[in-house]
Amino acid sequence: DIQMTQSPSSLSASVGDRVTISCRASQSVSTYLNWYQQKPGRAPRLLIYATSRLQSGVPSRFSGGGSGPYFTLTISGLQPEDSATYYCQQSYSSPATFGRGTRLEIK
Amino acid sequence: QVQLEQSGPEVKKPGSSVKVSCKVSGGILGTHGVSWLRQAPGQGLEWIGGVVSAFGRENYAQRFQGRVTVVADESTSTVYLELRDLTSEDTAVYYCARDWPRLGGPFDYWGQGTLISVSP
Repeated sequence: DIQMTQSPSSLSASVGDRVTISCRASQSVSTYLNWYQQKPGRAPRLLIYATSRLQSGVPSRFSGGGSGPYFTLTISGLQPEDSATYYCQQSYSSPATFGRGTRLEIK
Repeated sequence: QVQLEQSGPEVKKPGSSVKVSCKVSGGILGTHGVSWLRQAPGQGLEWIGGVVSAFGRENYAQRFQGRVTVVADESTSTVYLELRDLTSEDTAVYYCARDWPRLGGPFDYWGQGTLISVSP
């Protein structure tokens, strides 16, 4: 199975800040890298798919990038509602695997 | 409009089986797959397996092979997850999600989740 390693595991930032979450795959996943946001008690929400494509309805302050085994999720201009846990996921090979998550706290 | 509506929470005994349902709307089964994922308390997400009804195809994560079945009933637009030989480690919230024909994501629509508790 492909291992997905996220960093940091948690971070705290202020409204208006720009934050970046990293994700590294244990082997190539091409561009088959997706990002999800999950709030407590809720199902995950797809934010970014295929490394950098913004899912319909997701605010443009969310962006994804990267190449090779290294990927990033950037949130520009943090909002209070961005407080959540973020997961990366590879859809390159079966089984689909997720990172362990990054918990984002808004100060 | 795409929607996935899951069955309610259940409490099961170790060694028993559970069957969770996911009623889908928006014509999902004709064009997409449906996958099942789970999340143990305080833990991350884990893909269990899925089905592509239109192609008659299923795929499961190796660690669940032999004790999981995902089937789609096109007549009722419902997808079922059956997990057998339950242990306490199967206690989790189980989600169904719309998938793509190759299965494995990205998962763009999700059910609300079903809590399965396994306890003696």
